[in-house]
This record gives sequence, C-alpha cells and structure tokens, in this order.
Amino acid sequence: ETTLTQSPAFMSATPGDKVNISCKASQDIDDDMNWYQQKPGEAAIFIIQEATTLVPGIPPRFSGSGYGTDFTLTINNIESEDAAYYFCLQHDNFPLTFGGGTKVEIK
Amino acid sequence: QVQLQESGPGLVKPSQTLSLTCTVSGGSISSGSYYWSWIRQPAGKGLEWIGRIYTSGSTNYNPSLKSRVTISVDTSKNQFSLKLSSVTAADTAVYYCAREYYYGSGVDYWGQGTLVTVSS
Repeated sequence: ETTLTQSPAFMSATPGDKVNISCKASQDIDDDMNWYQQKPGEAAIFIIQEATTLVPGIPPRFSGSGYGTDFTLTINNIESEDAAYYFCLQHDNFPLTFGGGTKVEIK
Repeated sequence: QVQLQESGPGLVKPSQTLSLTCTVSGGSISSGSYYWSWIRQPAGKGLEWIGRIYTSGSTNYNPSLKSRVTISVDTSKNQFSLKLSSVTAADTAVYYCAREYYYGSGVDYWGQGTLVTVSS
C-alpha cells in the first residue's frame, strides 16, 4: 500500500499569494496522482489529473507538477474563493490511498 | 453533469450493520467505463478507500475492511450500496460515494458525504 504524506496540514494565505501543497509517495507511482478541492458540505471537485493535467473547467491559476514520488499542487494568485480543503489521491496501485489533506485559509 | 447522493441512517449501534445507498443521477450506473466506489473519512483523519463495484457486480475491497464490507449494485434504480458489519466507534466517519474510472485515473465525481455515528 502506498502512503501519501501531504504537507502542510494547514496554511493561511493572502489574496494574490502563490501557494504550494506537497504530496510525497512512499513508492514510485509514475504520474498516477490526482488533486481535489473540497468545501464544507459540498462534493469534492476534481482539479488535477495525472499529476499535471488541469481538469476542464478548472481555473488556470491551479497547476500540478511532479513525477515518481514527489508532487506539488500550486495555486497562483490565490483568490478568496480558493479557501478549501485540498487532498491528493494515488491511483497507481491497489488500494487507492489519499494524502492527509491541507486546509487553506484566506486572510 | 453526474451527481451522487448518499442516504441512510446517521446513527448505528455498535456491533450492528451500517447500510448506505448512493443514488446516481445525470449518468447511467451501467456505463462500462466506471467503477462505483465508497470512501470514508473519520473526523480529524485522512480519507480511506473502502471498495468499489463494477456494473457487472464484480467488487474490490480494501484488505483492511474486506472481512466486513459488502458493496452491491441495483442498475434498475441507478443505485449502489454499502454494508459494513460489526461496526465499532472507529467506524464513525463521513462516508462518500464516488465514481472511479475503470481504466485507471482515479475518482472523478464525488457525493457530498453523509456522517454516520456509531454509538449506543
């Protein structure tokens, strides 16, 4: 089973900041990494697939990078509406596993 | 746009069986391109993948829960269901249903989740 270590668990940002969220895998998972955004009481939204591909309809200020074991979700020029919980998912091997999540607060 | 909605009791007694149903709208559960999955998140902890079912009825379960989990599908109602037996307080969590790509690529759509508390 692949363990995903996500950091930080919490961060506070100011509108316009660039934010990076890290997800490290315990073994090589190629580019089989997805990122999601979730707001309280709402369904999670799929934002990055296969580590680097922006899901259609997601604003281009979101981007993903990485391969193998180290992955990053970047939010450029963060906006107040980006306040949410973000988490990563690996689908390289069974069972699917998730990072511990990052709560992003906007000041 | 596919939507998934979980339903079921919010309170289950210890040792009993937790039962939830997910109703899918905006798409057919009989589509051959997807699995239909259950995932949970205990308060303050990370997400845990429970298992999935294909339209044929074929299932895969997380080894950590396999002995207690049953997932079934009702294509006539466009629903799939989760049963978790012999529950304890450790099974208290928000339970999510989700759609998962059959040919890899993970989950694309999620339900909003439902809180199930295990308590006497």
